[in-house]
Order: sequence, then structure tokens, then C-alpha cells
Amino acid sequence: KNQVEQSPQSLIILEGKNCTLQCNYTVSPFSNLRWYKQDTGRGPVSLTIMTFSENTKSNGRYTATLDADTKQSSLHITASQLSDSASYICVVSAKGNNRLAFGKGNQVVVIP
Amino acid sequence: GAVVSQHPSRVICKSGTSVKIECRSLDFQATTMFWYRQFPKQSLMLMATSNEGSKATYEQGVEKDKFLINHASLTLSTLTVTSAHPEDSSFYICSARASAGNPYEQYFGPGTRLTVT
Repeated sequence: KNQVEQSPQSLIILEGKNCTLQCNYTVSPFSNLRWYKQDTGRGPVSLTIMTFSENTKSNGRYTATLDADTKQSSLHITASQLSDSASYICVVSAKGNNRLAFGKGNQVVVIP
Repeated sequence: GAVVSQHPSRVICKSGTSVKIECRSLDFQATTMFWYRQFPKQSLMLMATSNEGSKATYEQGVEKDKFLINHASLTLSTLTVTSAHPEDSSFYICSARASAGNPYEQYFGPGTRLTVT
């Protein structure tokens, strides 16, 4: 079973609308959680990184939340733009090693 | 911000030939670089971890004689796919961890699309 589960797998939203992506993880002991944006055919680009003590972090129109007790995170996209169409990947790191656990991504398509 | 480049971005080769992919950290030194493979609509899968000046550590199931990794300097790691087969066709992505700065951050390259015919 994957240590990082993301939902929904894909969604279509109208330009200008908001959306929220979910990430549940089982990685333990927890070190940090990152959200990446990956455009088709490109490498992932970091949006946010949160450690255990942080429960929210923003990067422009992207706001990530973290509940380390329930092992859940969300990524909220405000006022979506066509350029937000991409896969959003939740990545969790365990303490003590270099290893990253990747979710399969939330595929977001923004339509005009 | 930190930039990682990969070359080539896209390569098509014939079955049985070898292909080299370069990963460079352009504005920082990276003691550790990572190589991933990604199939369509799948997660990135770690293939190996390379530390500058030492042998790479391969993940279970990844053939080290087939995927040769060299990390000869603090800014360059190479992945050579030897005797490539069509099933090696994939998207290969490297990432680099900076020697200084945020210890949690990995910077990803733009990826290399390998197609083996």
C-alpha cells in the first residue's frame, strides 16, 4: 500500500474557481511534507514545505495545510488560472533518511 | 532559486544501444543527487541515490549494471542506460540536494524523455 494517498485522482474546474486537494500519509516518523506542481513532461517544482510544527503555509494562490496528528494535508488553489493545469504531488519525508514517499498526484485541469 | 538542468530533454534510441543522461546543479553544489523514473500517471520511483565521489546506492529491483550512475563532481551526475530495451522507455528525472541551506529541499530537474525503439 502506498504510504501517500491523494484524492481526488483528477478534477476539472472552471477558471477563477477554487479547489482543494487532499493528501493522507502513513509515513512515520514524520519529518516534513511537500507539495510539488508538475506540468506535463516537466520535472516537479516545489510549492511548499512544512515541518511538524507548521500547520499552514502559503505560496501565492497556493495554501497548504498540515495536520500531523491525523496525518493529513491539503492544498488549496485560489482563483484558479489556466496555467494551474498540472499534476500536484504530495511528498512526505521520514526522519533519519533521504527517502521521499511520493503520492501519485492530483491531476487538475482548469478550463475557461 | 536553485536550478537543476538535465540533458538531453528528449532522446530516441534503438534497442541495444546505450544512452547517457546528464544532471547538473547550475548554481549550487550538491553532495547528493537522486535519479527517479516516472511512468505515465504514476508516482516518481526512486532508482538510486548518488553521493559525490562514492558509489551509488540502488533501490531494490534496479539493476546497477544496467543503470550506471556516476557522480564525479559536486555539480554533475550522469545516468547511463546500457543496452536499452523498449521497456526502459520512460521519463527520467534527477534531483539534487544542496550541500548548504535547507536540508529538506530537493530540487528537481526538468526530466528526460527516453524512447527506445
